[in-house]
Amino acid sequence: SAVISQKPSRDICQRGTSLTIQCQVDSQVTMMFWYRQQPGQSLTLIATANQGSEATYESGFVIDKFPISRPNLTFSTLTVSNMSPEDSSIYLCSVAGTPREQYFGPGTRLTVT
Amino acid sequence: AQTVTQSQPEMSVQEAETVTLSCTYDTSESNYYLFWYKQPPSRQMILVIRQEAYKQQNATENRFSVNFQKAAKSFSLKISDSQLGDTAMYFCAFWETSGSRLTFGEGTQLTVNP
Repeated sequence: SAVISQKPSRDICQRGTSLTIQCQVDSQVTMMFWYRQQPGQSLTLIATANQGSEATYESGFVIDKFPISRPNLTFSTLTVSNMSPEDSSIYLCSVAGTPREQYFGPGTRLTVT
Repeated sequence: AQTVTQSQPEMSVQEAETVTLSCTYDTSESNYYLFWYKQPPSRQMILVIRQEAYKQQNATENRFSVNFQKAAKSFSLKISDSQLGDTAMYFCAFWETSGSRLTFGEGTQLTVNP
């Protein structure tokens, strides 16, 4: 299985600021994804990070709010922009080499005050 | 759109006993993948077990096994000899080949009591 790291593991941010979350994988993977998990809820897909091209966003998520980069096959970043308290969530990076191999990073716990 | 339903928000079981978590899904696809993930308080999503839809044999991983009923679109998880470390939120997830994304159920909070 892939080893995935995320930075930071947690952060407390002020309203109106931005935070960039990094996801690093120990091997090249075809697919990388970003999920949001609001308190007490399930996971919701934000976007698929595409290597060398713009990310594919799910309904309800926009690039201006959640810009994503994926410069190579082992690294991606998610930025949460102009944060509000409603953005307080756990953000998880996920990778898949093949559909049967879906693994998650440890998550970033974000609190917006 | 594909949907995944977990009808049991909370369950509890005594240590060493067996418990079954339910999951149903809706899809028009014939080839797909199903997963059970465990999320302990540390929030790390841990893959427990997976099932390919084209395989008729139910998947097993040590104390964890599934009952996959493709016609009924049902995918339940059985945990045998429950341990305190099994206490966690369990999510059922569906991978749709056409959309290339995971869809999650709402989760079942399992508590194993000593």
